[in-house]
Amino acid sequence: RKEVEQDPGPFNVPEGATVAFNCTYSNSASQSFFWYRQDCRKEPKLLMSVYSSGNEDGRFTAQLNRASQYISLLIRDSKLSDSATYLCVDASGGYQKVTFGTGTKLQVIP
Amino acid sequence: DADVTQTPRNRITKTGKRIMLECSQTKGHDRMYWYRQDPGLGLRLIYYSFDVKDINKGEISDGYSVSRQAQAKFSLSLESAIPNQTALYFCATSDPVSGGELFFGEGSRLTVL
Repeated sequence: RKEVEQDPGPFNVPEGATVAFNCTYSNSASQSFFWYRQDCRKEPKLLMSVYSSGNEDGRFTAQLNRASQYISLLIRDSKLSDSATYLCVDASGGYQKVTFGTGTKLQVIP
Repeated sequence: DADVTQTPRNRITKTGKRIMLECSQTKGHDRMYWYRQDPGLGLRLIYYSFDVKDINKGEISDGYSVSRQAQAKFSLSLESAIPNQTALYFCATSDPVSGGELFFGEGSRLTVL
């Protein structure tokens, strides 16, 4: 089993829709997670941290479910500019053991 | 101007050639990293350095070497390039104060024929 697994998608959603991605992780001791956004042929950029109590930033909400070992990213009122690949990151092993998922591609359609 | 700059941005080379990818940063971070990204495999750590005198192997260091010339500069070398080193390479920096965020350069696309 991969350490961090994501559905590669693509998720094709209309503008204004709500979309959610999950990311499963294999290490039950993991506690530190992030979501990064990567535009096509560009570098990844931090979108948000994932706290055990959940984290909301505008239209974006990140959640951690320890019992089922997954994190989620919810995007409300999708915009065309949200089209990108979203990378799940387990940073629990410290800087030398930051594990990236392969990403979930989102395409928001007019 | 980008805070983390990589050169070259694109390079096509032949098997057996020596290649150097360079990274410089103006963020003042001590910690620097080299990753490669392949379709379906995600980002994988090649080498990392926590200061000028500190170099550490990452997950996939075979076939690569690095040099930390200064706090702001971290170079990745492929001594004898092979086709399966064709990938998108990213340099990144971090600062413990930033809570774990990695700041990436724009990437260097390397093709080995």
